[in-house]
Amino acid sequence: GAGVSQSPRYKVAKRGQDVALRCDPISGHVSLFWYQQALGQGPEFLTYFQNEAQLDKSGLPSDRFFAERPEGSVSTLKIQRTQQEDSAVYLCASSLSSAGFRYGYTFGSGTRLTVV
Amino acid sequence: AQRVTQPEKLLSVFKGAPVELKCNYSYSGSPELFWYVQYSRQRLQLLLRHISRESIKGFTADLNKGETSFHLKKPFAQEEDSAMYYCALSESVNRDDKIIFGKGTRLHILP
Repeated sequence: GAGVSQSPRYKVAKRGQDVALRCDPISGHVSLFWYQQALGQGPEFLTYFQNEAQLDKSGLPSDRFFAERPEGSVSTLKIQRTQQEDSAVYLCASSLSSAGFRYGYTFGSGTRLTVV
Repeated sequence: AQRVTQPEKLLSVFKGAPVELKCNYSYSGSPELFWYVQYSRQRLQLLLRHISRESIKGFTADLNKGETSFHLKKPFAQEEDSAMYYCALSESVNRDDKIIFGKGTRLHILP
């Protein structure tokens, strides 16, 4: 596609509910990143894939958070048993491998998750 | 651990006045530094990167390793510059790696 696409755009979840957030990166981009952006804060790194391999998941805040990219394209971020502190905008970004970090990443519009 | 500090949450500047958005970083190696911008109702996008030494929309940023700073500057502010600005750092030299963002500075250009 022309850009990084994320869905849903907005998600309201009841506390304790599981949610799944989808990211469709730019075609051909091998690197994919997930960030969490709380209100009034900068984006915080969650996890990073190169193709289907999850190379860094050091930013995932707890074992309730799980990300996958089984075929090296679309990625899903899953949050189990959501809690109010999970409320944030979840951003996905993609880049061309090896050169991507030098030229920055292309971000999606994000999914705004509200846990009530 | 690497860190990016943007000391101002909000900066208000009159149209036509110079702009300087401050960014300091802590990292022991040679970082790659970026400025990202988010205009109202738009997605986060790259403004400029240290490695290319470019000027985008009149903005420039110089890496000062002695002061560990990467301040964003523009000589004459325009109303369309109003946005959220994030300074960011990547520690990697040869491969993709995570970008660490500052908390951001909201730039408000006054008419």
